[in-house]
Amino acid sequence: AQSVTQPDIHITVSEGASLELRCNYSYGATPYLFWYVQSPGQGLQLLLKYFSGDTLVQGIKGFEAEFKRSQSSFNLRKPSVHWSDAAEYFCASIKAAGNKLTFGGGTRVLVKP
Amino acid sequence: DAEITQSPRHKITETGRQVTLACHQTWNHNNMFWYRQDLGHGLRLIHYSYGVQDTNKGEVSDGYSVSRSNTEDLPLTLESAASSQTSVYFCASSPAGVEGTDTQYFGPGTRLTVL
Repeated sequence: AQSVTQPDIHITVSEGASLELRCNYSYGATPYLFWYVQSPGQGLQLLLKYFSGDTLVQGIKGFEAEFKRSQSSFNLRKPSVHWSDAAEYFCASIKAAGNKLTFGGGTRVLVKP
Repeated sequence: DAEITQSPRHKITETGRQVTLACHQTWNHNNMFWYRQDLGHGLRLIHYSYGVQDTNKGEVSDGYSVSRSNTEDLPLTLESAASSQTSVYFCASSPAGVEGTDTQYFGPGTRLTVL
């Protein structure tokens, strides 16, 4: 069965510092990959997605993610975080077109002033 | 602007009662989904629909049902609420196409407490 793993449950980062959130998937074929953000009390908003092509994907709010097939990873990065980036971040994948979206457990990001 | 709404936003009910959570989208999306969110589990798929009169079971469908009588609405019913169904419920929709590759748009969520 397909699965998505986010190894870090919580990350604390200082405002202005860089941020990297890890995501790993566990099946052989290249899946469709997504990163969503959930601000407190809100629904999920899509940050970026990868289907094929360039392995470095740019998203909204200054985020980017890199697909690495050799590591089965799709890590999310931001060079300089803002206090408004404090939220929970979910990696999600679809094994192939026609399949269902599977979410990781989420990583909660706290931003220190 | 097009949107997806859920009601109520908060609900407290008692064990054994029937509860219906509403989801309404104005994007005219064919695909609609219900998820529950629990600590440590991320979001798990309950039911989904690819169009009017179409419904399918997801990963955690036991104790839940849905019906799709029009494009805009996919109500989720808990037939006999249990404490294990205390959770935050999210509805999502996506346009038709190659299913799964289209972005899913999420509602604001409904926090359900079963006492």
